[in-house]
Order: sequence, then structure tokens, then C-alpha cells
Amino acid sequence: QKEVEQNSGPLSVPEGAIASLNCTYSDRGSQSFFWYRQYSGKSPELIMFIYSNGDKEDGRFTAQLNKASQYVSLLIRDSQPSDSATYLCAVKSKDSSYKLIFGSGTRLLVRP
Amino acid sequence: AAGVIQSPRHLIKEKRETATLKCYPIPRHDTVYWYQQGPGQDPQFLISFYEKMQSDKGSIPDRFSAQQFSDYHSELNMSSLELGDSALYFCASSLQGQSSGANVLTFGAGSRLTVL
Repeated sequence: QKEVEQNSGPLSVPEGAIASLNCTYSDRGSQSFFWYRQYSGKSPELIMFIYSNGDKEDGRFTAQLNKASQYVSLLIRDSQPSDSATYLCAVKSKDSSYKLIFGSGTRLLVRP
Repeated sequence: AAGVIQSPRHLIKEKRETATLKCYPIPRHDTVYWYQQGPGQDPQFLISFYEKMQSDKGSIPDRFSAQQFSDYHSELNMSSLELGDSALYFCASSLQGQSSGANVLTFGAGSRLTVL
């Protein structure tokens, strides 16, 4: 079992719709959770981080964390074609703050 | 704002050769990370350094070594290169701490290594 699991997709949504990306993790001791966006051949860019249970909103993006169920999700409202990319979920364990473990990413396609 | 600087951006090597990648972290960041990303793969953690000391180690082959220097820049040395080493190599840096936004990794643009 991978430490961080994501559906590889592609997840296809029409422009203006809400895209929902999910991620589960195996280490119950994980404390910090990150969503990165990566365009093909480019480096990962931070979208959001979340440390506490509940929702965290930043513009069109909302991260949701449920530590009891060991999942974290990212909602993208009013999806735009420019949001088409691979979204990587990443987790930092309390045992080591010196590495970030990535999921395999979910490819999002926003249709014009 | 200054970002993470990696060099070279592209590198082509033959099998069994040696390659060195360099990384200059964001000023005042105290932790440097190296990741390897193969085609269609997620970034795989290789190694990290905190205040110039190795802080964690991932799936880094024995043929690879890395270090962080007194000016905080880091180098990843890869020897006896194999075809499977062809990948994007990312360096990232962060600042350790408890404040909001601490421990957030900022990535460099990456170095693309092609082994022929």
C-alpha cells in the first residue's frame, strides 16, 4: 500500500464546474498536508496546505482534512481550462519533518 | 522574490558517466530536499539536509551522494549512470518551524537528466 494514494484520473469537468480531488494517507501520525499543482514538465507549485481538521478556503480553492478517516481533499470552484494539470497530494509525517511524501497525482482536465 | 535555483537545467550523459546537479535554496531557508521524478511518475524523495547535515534519506541509490555546503547550496552527485536514471531532478527548500507556512516546500525548476 502506498503511503499516499490518489486516483490517477483523468478527472474531466466542464468549465465553471466544481472539481473534487481526493487523497488518502496511511500514516495516522501525519500532521501536515499539502496540495501541489504540476504542469507537464514543470515543477510542483503549492496550492494550499492544511494542518487542522476541517475546511480551509483560499480563493477558488478549498482544502478539507479529516484525520479520523485519513483523507484530505481539494475542491476547485469555477474550474478554468488553465486549471488543467496534475494535482499532487503530499503528506509530512510527525516522525520526520524533513521529507514530504507525494501521491501519484490526479490529472484534471477542464473542458472549455 | 528569490526562488530555488537549479543548474544545469538540462544534462545529457552516457551510461556509466558521472553527473553533478546543483541547487541554491531560497535565502534563509534551512532545509534542502532532492526529489527524482520519472516520466509519468510522482516525485520520489531522495534525501534532505537540515542546516548542512543529512536529515532524512529516501530511495536514493548507493551510486548517488549529496551534500550541503557552508553557503547552503547543495549538490547531488550521480555516478555509474544507468538508463533508468533519466528523470527530472527537483530540489526544494523550506524553513523549519511552527509558524503558519513553515515547512512548506518551494521547488526549483528542475534539472532534466537524459542518459543515453
